[in-house]
Amino acid sequence: DVKVTQSSRYLVKRTGEKVFLECVQDMDHENMFWYRQDPGLGLRLIYFSYDVKMKEKGDIPEGYSVSREKKERFSLILESASTNQTSMYLCASLGQPYEQYFGPGTRLTVT
Amino acid sequence: AQTVTQSQPEMSVQEAETVTLSCTYDTSESDYYLFWYKQPPSRQMILVIRQEAYKQQNATENRFSVNFQKAAKSFSLKISDSQLGDAAMYFCAYRSLNAGNMLTFGGGTRLMVKP
Repeated sequence: DVKVTQSSRYLVKRTGEKVFLECVQDMDHENMFWYRQDPGLGLRLIYFSYDVKMKEKGDIPEGYSVSREKKERFSLILESASTNQTSMYLCASLGQPYEQYFGPGTRLTVT
Repeated sequence: AQTVTQSQPEMSVQEAETVTLSCTYDTSESDYYLFWYKQPPSRQMILVIRQEAYKQQNATENRFSVNFQKAAKSFSLKISDSQLGDAAMYFCAYRSLNAGNMLTFGGGTRLMVKP
């Protein structure tokens, strides 16, 4: 079974803090994704990566950056957390030919 | 850009009955994938069913089936013999074959199953 894990299920941070969310997959997938999930808005793509050190902006990249130094690990970085970044963050990796496998999510609260 | 719309924020069904969740999408492409994902409470999102746009036959997975109407850009999910474990958020998603491997999601429908 494909396993996608995220570093934390719940996280509380203060405004202005730098926040790291980590995602690890164990299936040697090339493509990985970060989404945020908000009620009524579904999932919106923040960034994705199609290979080590390669990244592309999604629909809502503002305020976020990413890092992919190793194939199995894809990190989402909030350089200076703000209250409007309070959300559920989901990581996914793409198996071929079409299925995205999701992690359990990190519920981030910024106070 | 593609958009996906789920017009039912919440739905309710009696156990053992059938329920249909609606999804419409907007695209100018002729080839694409459509998906239904399920997110149970506090659990990971999983794929329920997929449909390739070039296939006319509606996809079926056990109690789950879709009604894919390409001309109408409609992709509804039918759940037969509903079970308590079907209670979840359901997301419709679109994947272009021309724009990488990204998914565009609808806003989701919360399905409640009454015993």
